[in-house]
Amino acid sequence: DGGITQSPKYLFRKEGQNVTLSCEQNLNHDAMYWYRQDPGQGLRLIYYSQIVNDFQKGDIAEGYSVSREKKESFPLTVTSAQKNPTAFYLCASSTGLAGVNNEQFFGPGTRLTVL
Amino acid sequence: AQSVSQHNHHVILSEAASLELGCNYSYGGTVNLFWYVQYPGQHLQLLLKYFSGDPLVKGIKGFEAEFIKSKFSFNLRKPSVQWSDTAEYFCAVRLYNQGGKLIFGQGTELSVKP
Repeated sequence: DGGITQSPKYLFRKEGQNVTLSCEQNLNHDAMYWYRQDPGQGLRLIYYSQIVNDFQKGDIAEGYSVSREKKESFPLTVTSAQKNPTAFYLCASSTGLAGVNNEQFFGPGTRLTVL
Repeated sequence: AQSVSQHNHHVILSEAASLELGCNYSYGGTVNLFWYVQYPGQHLQLLLKYFSGDPLVKGIKGFEAEFIKSKFSFNLRKPSVQWSDTAEYFCAVRLYNQGGKLIFGQGTELSVKP
């Protein structure tokens, strides 16, 4: 069953702690993305990666970090430097080739609440 | 900066009413256009997409959208909504030369009354 998995579905952390969100895909996609969804603001791009061992900042990368050591995995770390981390985080993937018509597929999301 | 604007934040309709959700973007180059839907408690999923060719595209569940290049618009339409269409709808634009990045609109919440 191909798709994107994110874990956990709900995550609670204390202020000041770093937390890592998992994203795994078995679609053999080259590109992966992390978005943050806040009410009334749509989805905003945090980081993206077009190939293993390479990634670029999106529009709101401050306070976040990522790694791409394997094609199928793209974990996101929300650091204590992120001023407003409570949000719904969505991971996506695509074939990723620039200039090629393709679409992004989304995971189920992780809702992070910082107490 | 490039942006995508959805005109309506919350739309309330009765079943069988017609739907049109507006989407405008600000980018003069080649774009791919998408509408995604997020049903309550479910994944974000693709409703329809425009890459090239016929500017009127049809998607799943009876939805369609029209790309009007001169107006930088990609409005979503459905002639007769159902209660099951209650969801949040997102318009998204991909800039053709920027590595697959999607820029999303703010989203429109659609509530259909039975």
